[in-house]
Amino acid sequence: DAGVIQSPRHEVTEMGQEVTLRCKPISGHNSLFWYRQTMMRGLELLIYFNNNVPIDDSGMPEDRFSAKMPNASFSTLKIQPSEPRDSAVYFCASSLGVHQRDEQYFGPGTRLTVT
Amino acid sequence: AQKVTQAQTEISVVEKEDVTLDCVYETRDTTYYLFWYKQPPSGELVFLIRRNSFDEQNEISGRYSWNFQKSTSSFNFTITASQVVDSAVYFCALSGAPDTGNQFYFGTGTSLTVIP
Repeated sequence: DAGVIQSPRHEVTEMGQEVTLRCKPISGHNSLFWYRQTMMRGLELLIYFNNNVPIDDSGMPEDRFSAKMPNASFSTLKIQPSEPRDSAVYFCASSLGVHQRDEQYFGPGTRLTVT
Repeated sequence: AQKVTQAQTEISVVEKEDVTLDCVYETRDTTYYLFWYKQPPSGELVFLIRRNSFDEQNEISGRYSWNFQKSTSSFNFTITASQVVDSAVYFCALSGAPDTGNQFYFGTGTSLTVIP
């Protein structure tokens, strides 16, 4: 069974451009999480969805960031306009249920570089 | 507030040595879950173990073992007879309180280097 799928794996873009990161969770999973990882700040939760509904987006750094989950098998994280400080690895994770006991399964990440 | 502290930023050991990675957590909840994840140099995060707050029994899986002590709010991870393939960043995480759903609180990670 396929794990969490993220695309692209690497993205290099210029400051000011729009960036869209994509995630396909594990089939049957009901929760989806977006994280950002940098050396300075470690792993930060940006937003998470339960049953396609955003539950907590308090980690989204600015209005330049937005996330959607139009259906159970797809989510996007968009940055518009992008800035160099957005350079990081962005992970998507999914879990089977919406309970605190459910472990999260992570995708391979998207390494974003904004020049 | 939920918080996880991994005080050890980096650890280096020689192959075949035992090593313990510390994890201390804070929570006001009586029901909670603790997790360990491994992030090898390839970058993906791999789930290792889950432990609930009502089960303080230590767990062993091959060379890995976990020591959960509620009295000290610790959930430490020991690798016995370390190998080069154990080199990775290890994260401890705490699940959110029931009213916050299944949000995870991650520690800052411990980078383990096993020297051949």
